[in-house]
Amino acid sequence: DAMVIQNPRYQVTQFGKPVTLSCSQTLNHNVMYWYQQKSSQAPKLLFHYYDKDFNNEADTPDNFQSRRPNTSFCFLDIRSPGLGDAAMYLCATSRDGSTDTQYFGPGTRLTVL
Amino acid sequence: GQQVMQIPQYQHVQEGEDFTTYCNSSTTLSNIQWYKQRPGGHPVFLIQLVKSGEVKKQKRLTFQFGEAKKNSSLHITATQTTDVGTYFCAGQKETDYGGSQGNLIFGKGTKLSVKP
Repeated sequence: DAMVIQNPRYQVTQFGKPVTLSCSQTLNHNVMYWYQQKSSQAPKLLFHYYDKDFNNEADTPDNFQSRRPNTSFCFLDIRSPGLGDAAMYLCATSRDGSTDTQYFGPGTRLTVL
Repeated sequence: GQQVMQIPQYQHVQEGEDFTTYCNSSTTLSNIQWYKQRPGGHPVFLIQLVKSGEVKKQKRLTFQFGEAKKNSSLHITATQTTDVGTYFCAGQKETDYGGSQGNLIFGKGTKLSVKP
C-alpha cells in the first residue's frame, strides 16, 4: 500500500498560472518535506514541516509556499510558475527529523508552458 | 555551507563488473544515508550509517562510513541490470557534541548503467 501519495503525478500549467501540488501520508510521520528535483540533479530541499512548525530553506524563492492543514496532508503552492520551475517535485516524510529515514512519494512532474 | 560531493557522476559497466560510488563531505557527518532512484522513479532508502568506520552489507551491496565520518562509499559486487539507477548519498552535519544539525544534504548522485 502506498504510504506517501502525491497528486497529480503529472501537472501541466501555463507560465504565471498558479498551481497546487498535493501530498498525503499514511505513516503518521511528524515531518513532511518538499524537494525540487531537476533532471540529473540531486533533490533540493525547498522547505519542511515539523508538525505544524514551518521551516523554509534560505534559498527557496518566495514564489513557493506550503500549507499543512493536518498531519496527513501537505500542499505545495507555486504562485507564478516560471519556465525554470519545471521539475519533479518530491514529497517525503520522516518520523521525527533528518536523522530518520525519509520516505519519498512518487513525485509530481511539473511542466510549464 | 556544508557540501556533499559524490563521484563519479556517471558509471557505465558491463553486467557482472563491480561498481563503486564515493561520497565526501566538507564537514563531519553525524550520519549518512544512501538512496537509490530508478529511472523515472523516486528515491528509495537503502541504508543509514552512523558509526565511525561502520561497514554494512546488503546482499551484493557494501556500504562504508569513513573513520573520520567525512566520507562514505557504496560498492556493488557483480552488477546486474536491476542495479540500474542513480545512487545518492545524503549526510547530516554533526554538532560539536556529537548530535545532528540541520537537514539532510544530498550529493548529486552517481548514475549507473549496466550493459547486459
